[in-house]
Amino acid sequence: AQKVTQAQTEISVVEKEDVTLDCVYETRDTTYYLFWYKQPPSGELVFLIRRNSFDEQNEISGRYSWNFQKSTSSFNFTITASQVVDSAVYFCALSSDNAGNMLTFGGGTRLMVKP
Amino acid sequence: EPEVTQTPSHQVTQMGQEVILRCVPISNHLYFYWYRQILGQKVEFLVSFYNNEISEKSEIFDDQFSVERPDGSNFTLKIRSTKLEDSAMYFCASRGDRAYADTQYFGPGTRLTVL
Repeated sequence: AQKVTQAQTEISVVEKEDVTLDCVYETRDTTYYLFWYKQPPSGELVFLIRRNSFDEQNEISGRYSWNFQKSTSSFNFTITASQVVDSAVYFCALSSDNAGNMLTFGGGTRLMVKP
Repeated sequence: EPEVTQTPSHQVTQMGQEVILRCVPISNHLYFYWYRQILGQKVEFLVSFYNNEISEKSEIFDDQFSVERPDGSNFTLKIRSTKLEDSAMYFCASRGDRAYADTQYFGPGTRLTVL
């Protein structure tokens, strides 16, 4: 069975602070995919990034960066210089070909960025 | 940019009534999914659909639920006899073929309220 754990249920920061959202996953599959989705107060799920298990290169996109470490089964997400608009619930998710490509979501981390 | 659409955005129904939630996936996508999110909780997989049949379903997806692709564009989720605990946000998602990117793109959701 697959599992995703986001230990931080809620994080509060002040604008311009850096913040890291943790994600730890479990899977027996050797090929799998990791994702981050953002759920703003309006409720939709916005795709942020996908990472394949065979590609451990870290990625940076503007103020967002992702650190994938297979050795610790973690896929952490860092927001640099946070802004109020970053306030949302962030979900880490996992899928694999052997599991029908369904997404297994973590419990989410609610990020509140205060001005 | 192509997107997944869902109607209605909010549905209120009485317990025991049938509801149909509608989705229009991205046009060249081949795999379709339904997920639900009970208020304040994580997103849970319900069912996946490919080549006009269910490919995977979770234990939540019992005999009260059914899915259909009645034409070339719509993908529906039917709940035959709604219960109070069916109140949730229901998300439709779609993705292209395996070689493409394996990323699921979500619709804006339908909030179902069962009274």
